[in-house]
Amino acid sequence: AQSVTQLDSQVPVFEEAPVELRCNYSSSVSVYLFWYVQYPNQGLQLLLKYLSGSTLVKGINGFEAEFNKSQTSFHLRKPSVHISDTAEYFCAVSEAGGSEKLVFGKGTKLTVNP
Amino acid sequence: SQTIHQWPATLVQPVGSPLSLECTVEGTSNPNLYWYRQAAGRGLQLLFYSVGIGQISSEVPQNLSASRPQDRQFILSSKKLLLSDSGFYLCAWIFFTEAFFGQGTRLTVV
Repeated sequence: AQSVTQLDSQVPVFEEAPVELRCNYSSSVSVYLFWYVQYPNQGLQLLLKYLSGSTLVKGINGFEAEFNKSQTSFHLRKPSVHISDTAEYFCAVSEAGGSEKLVFGKGTKLTVNP
Repeated sequence: SQTIHQWPATLVQPVGSPLSLECTVEGTSNPNLYWYRQAAGRGLQLLFYSVGIGQISSEVPQNLSASRPQDRQFILSSKKLLLSDSGFYLCAWIFFTEAFFGQGTRLTVV
């Protein structure tokens, strides 16, 4: 079974500062990795995903993430955040080539302050 | 195009009352459907999933149940709500590495 740990429950940053949201996973098999964003009282929107190939994945809204197999990590980064990036971010994992069930982390609340 | 509908958006129910949340999908057939719950500080927890009509798998023992009466309909129910059932419920349709989510239902049990 897979599990996901998001190390920070809350991350406050100032506008235009860089940000990194951390995600580590555990699995005995190969995995696919995802980052989703959730705005208040809404469903989830996919930011980016890693399936295979290049370990640096670029997503929407200027976000990117890097898959590090040796450290079992998939950290999300943005070089310069905006007020509109304030939201909750979820890291998720599924079994590569197997069950498509998504296992989520507990989420990180990103607050961008002016 | 694929669309997933979930209702109601918000719900306030007294303890001990029944619950029925509905999720329907358009634009596909035989979808794999999932119910997740987001409780404060606990992230998104998978509750149930279904790969077809009448087929339900439960991930965690609890006060809730799920049913799949039609191919594109997935229902989450409870006979008697508990305070601990409060949370944000999300229906999802997952197809390989693509996932589509409903807008969610905010349930408050009082």
